[in-house]
Amino acid sequence: DGGITQSPKYLFRKEGQNVTLSCEQNLNHDAMYWYRQDPGQGLRLIYYSQIVNDFQKGDIAEGYSVSREKKESFPLTVTSAQKNPTAFYLCASSIGRNSENTIYFGEGSWLTVV
Amino acid sequence: KQEVTQIPAALSVPEGENLVLNCSFTDSAIYNLQWFRQDPGKGLTSLLLIQSSQREQTSGRLNASLDKSSGRSTLYIAASQPGDSATYLCAVHSGGGADGLTFGKGTHLIIQP
Repeated sequence: DGGITQSPKYLFRKEGQNVTLSCEQNLNHDAMYWYRQDPGQGLRLIYYSQIVNDFQKGDIAEGYSVSREKKESFPLTVTSAQKNPTAFYLCASSIGRNSENTIYFGEGSWLTVV
Repeated sequence: KQEVTQIPAALSVPEGENLVLNCSFTDSAIYNLQWFRQDPGKGLTSLLLIQSSQREQTSGRLNASLDKSSGRSTLYIAASQPGDSATYLCAVHSGGGADGLTFGKGTHLIIQP
């Protein structure tokens, strides 16, 4: 089935550690996104990528990094510089960034600092 | 800057009732508006996408309307069922921000059996 796969579903990070969240899509979409969702809050954009080997910062990029070496994959690294990383992380994709496209989401990854 | 507000924040109704969820936005210069459903601990599932030139979209028991000039959209759910219990979010694509999407905080809906 076509879709977006995020892994792991649950991840625990120790202080000072970098962790990487995986996002893979088989929808042949050019655009991919990472959002952060905190309880009672709307989604906030961390990074997005319109095409392979290109990505742009979103509204809350500090403490995060991404890569887009393949069209299907858009991993997110939460670095030790991110001081409050505990949140629900959502990966999404769309055909492109034009106005007519539906955006599709993965099932999300929970990150907790221990 | 675009702002999206969803009212009410939470709603509980008996099974079988028809209900309306509201979404308002501050900048009427939008490309489209999308309604999503989110189950607890899950990702978002797209329900309906309304282009700025459209007035409404329907899918099964769901009907979404858009009044761009007044900055409002409604999601109408007919004959509600317990399986409709979820959080419903609207997102406006208005070209501002890195991806042009601004999300509301959602309406948490509970359908009582």
